[in-house]
Amino acid sequence: KAGVTQTPRYLIKTRGQQVTLSCSPISGHRSVSWYQQTPGQGLQFLFEYFSETQRNKGNFPGRFSGRQFSNSRSEMNVSTLELGDSALYLCASSLAGLATGEQFFGPGTRLTVL
Amino acid sequence: ELKVEQNPLFLSMQEGKNYTIYCNYSTTSDRLYWYRQDPGKSLESLFVLLSNGAVKQEGRLMASLDTKARLSTLHITAAVHDLSATYFCAVDISYNNNDMRFGAGTRLTVKP
Repeated sequence: KAGVTQTPRYLIKTRGQQVTLSCSPISGHRSVSWYQQTPGQGLQFLFEYFSETQRNKGNFPGRFSGRQFSNSRSEMNVSTLELGDSALYLCASSLAGLATGEQFFGPGTRLTVL
Repeated sequence: ELKVEQNPLFLSMQEGKNYTIYCNYSTTSDRLYWYRQDPGKSLESLFVLLSNGAVKQEGRLMASLDTKARLSTLHITAAVHDLSATYFCAVDISYNNNDMRFGAGTRLTVKP
């Protein structure tokens, strides 16, 4: 069974640009969550999607947005990039949410903003 | 404000020794997760603890959950070098909505 995949794995952008990251969950999983990991702030929850609907959102500015498609694949978008957006972005999938017990993480996309 | 506190943040151990990592959290939750992260890698799920008193063991690692004390422990028995990694605990604060709050992580180094 294939795991969670994320593309691209590495990305370099400049301030002011926008970026779109993609996440394909494990087959059959309908919930996708996104997290940002930085040395200073650690792992922080961005948002969670289930059946194309955002169910929960962390404390991030509106520049961070996401969506989920009917096949459960998800994208997150960051507009007007800032230096502080440099981070490892992780997505995780689960069957229907944490109530089902476990969340599986993808390899991450490392974003560098210059 | 929700807090998930791990201690210690850094742990250097000799092979063969035992030690415990602690995870305290400040909100009501009966779902706690432990993850391992190797440098430059993603998170690997170690344990899912879904009720008070839950105890799970895998190899040299054992995790437990006390929801009344809002405390989880990750016990390492007879450490080996391969256990060197960063260990995170995470608390589910919204049940179905996958809002997990992570501790800062414990960077474990096991020396020969």
